[in-house]
Amino acid sequence: GAGVSQSPSNKVTEKGKDVELRCDPISGHTALYWYRQSLGQGLEFLIYFQGNSAPDKSGLPSDRFSAERTGGSVSTLTIQRTQQEDSAVYLCASSLGRGGVYEQYFGPGTRLTVT
Amino acid sequence: GQNIDQPTEMTATEGAIVQINCTYQTSGFNGLFWYQQHAGEAPTFLSYNVLDGLEEKGRFSSFLSRSKGYSYLLLKELQMKDSASYLCAVRDFDWWRYIPTFGRGTSLIVHP
Repeated sequence: GAGVSQSPSNKVTEKGKDVELRCDPISGHTALYWYRQSLGQGLEFLIYFQGNSAPDKSGLPSDRFSAERTGGSVSTLTIQRTQQEDSAVYLCASSLGRGGVYEQYFGPGTRLTVT
Repeated sequence: GQNIDQPTEMTATEGAIVQINCTYQTSGFNGLFWYQQHAGEAPTFLSYNVLDGLEEKGRFSSFLSRSKGYSYLLLKELQMKDSASYLCAVRDFDWWRYIPTFGRGTSLIVHP
C-alpha cells in the first residue's frame, strides 16, 4: 500500500511569511509524529498525535509552531512568521500503535528554506 | 528524557564487519530502534530491541543491554549500498507518551 506522503517536497519562503506543511499518514495508523532534521543533526521531536487524544506538543520550539490532525488522518504543521533558523527538513512519521514493536514509517520530508 | 550518544562517523571496507555503538540514559526504557537513512531520503526501520540480547535479521544484528544502557548495530558482509547514516532511537515510557528520541546518527562510509 501507499506509504507516508508529504507535501510540498521543497518550500522556499521569505522570512516572516507563514508556511503550511502537509502529511498523509498510512491508512489505519493511529500515531503520527512530526520531527525536523537540520544538517548534521539528529531528528528533533516536534509534536505527537495519538488517536483522538490531545496532542503532545512538548517538542514545539516556539508558539509560532502549531499542528493539527483532522479526522485522525491528515496532519498540517504550520509555522508562522518564519525565521531563518526554521530552515530544515521536516519529517512526518506514522505508526500502527504507540507501543510495542510498532516502528515508525517516515515520509520523504519537506525541505524548508527560509531566505 | 534521554541522552543518546553515537559516534559521528565510521569508515569500513566492503565485505567487512562493522559495529555501531549507541549508549543512552533514560528514566523509563521502553524499547530501542535502529533506522537507516540514506542521504536525502527518509529513515527506514532496521531493528527493534526491548529485551536484553541479540536480534538477528539477515546481514544486520542488533544487541541490547538494558543494565548498561548500551546497544550496538552489527553489519556483516558490508556492501557499498550500506553507506548511510544509522540512527539509534530510544523510546521512553512516561505516562502515556511513547515518543522515540533519536541520536544524531552515525555516518557510515563503505569503501572498496
